[in-house]
Amino acid sequence: NAGVTQTPKFQVLKTGQSMTLQCAQDMNHEYMSWYRQDPGMGLRLIHYSVGAGITDQGEVPNGYNVSRSTTEDFPLRLLSAAPSQTSVYFCASSYSYSGQGAAQHFGDGTRLSIL
Amino acid sequence: QKEVEQDPGPLSVPEGAIVSLNCTYSNSAFQYFMWYRQYSRKGPELLMYTYSSGNKEDGRFTAQVDKSSKYISLFIRDSQPSDSATYLCAFSSGSARQLTFGSGTQLTVLP
Repeated sequence: NAGVTQTPKFQVLKTGQSMTLQCAQDMNHEYMSWYRQDPGMGLRLIHYSVGAGITDQGEVPNGYNVSRSTTEDFPLRLLSAAPSQTSVYFCASSYSYSGQGAAQHFGDGTRLSIL
Repeated sequence: QKEVEQDPGPLSVPEGAIVSLNCTYSNSAFQYFMWYRQYSRKGPELLMYTYSSGNKEDGRFTAQVDKSSKYISLFIRDSQPSDSATYLCAFSSGSARQLTFGSGTQLTVLP
């Protein structure tokens, strides 16, 4: 059972480039989310989805797009990379967004550097 | 005031010590309380989950919630070097479609 799989694990981009961070889960979870983790700032929610076809913004959505065409996949797109987007990105999934089902399962992250 | 406050540490203890990790929060709507453990270069993993006030024990770990004081704690008994990690508290109101995380406490257990 793979859980939450993120690819790539590392990436270096130049300012202005675009790219897609991939996330897939095999637990049939309805709720999926993307976080960024920066030193001293904890995990900040970028976007989330409560099911296929439904997405919404989190705390820091600017510069990022998401879509959810299937239950399993939730890609994160950087439209025009900026140095401020240098971070570690985590994808997470959970059975629901409330109660004990809201306890999230995380991938191992994508370490992204923008030059 | 931040919604969640967590002492960032770093915290360094000798093997076998009792460790106390703490978070305070300001949102009275929080009903679900979690602790995650994050090893270096890994994603957070759920360690403990509690609902409302009280204690919950799982092996060497005890989670404590005091809703009246808006304070939660994680105790680690007989700490081991393998417990060295960053510990994050997390909160959910049940109605909000997201968790609120603390910034994490870095713990090192020295052999």
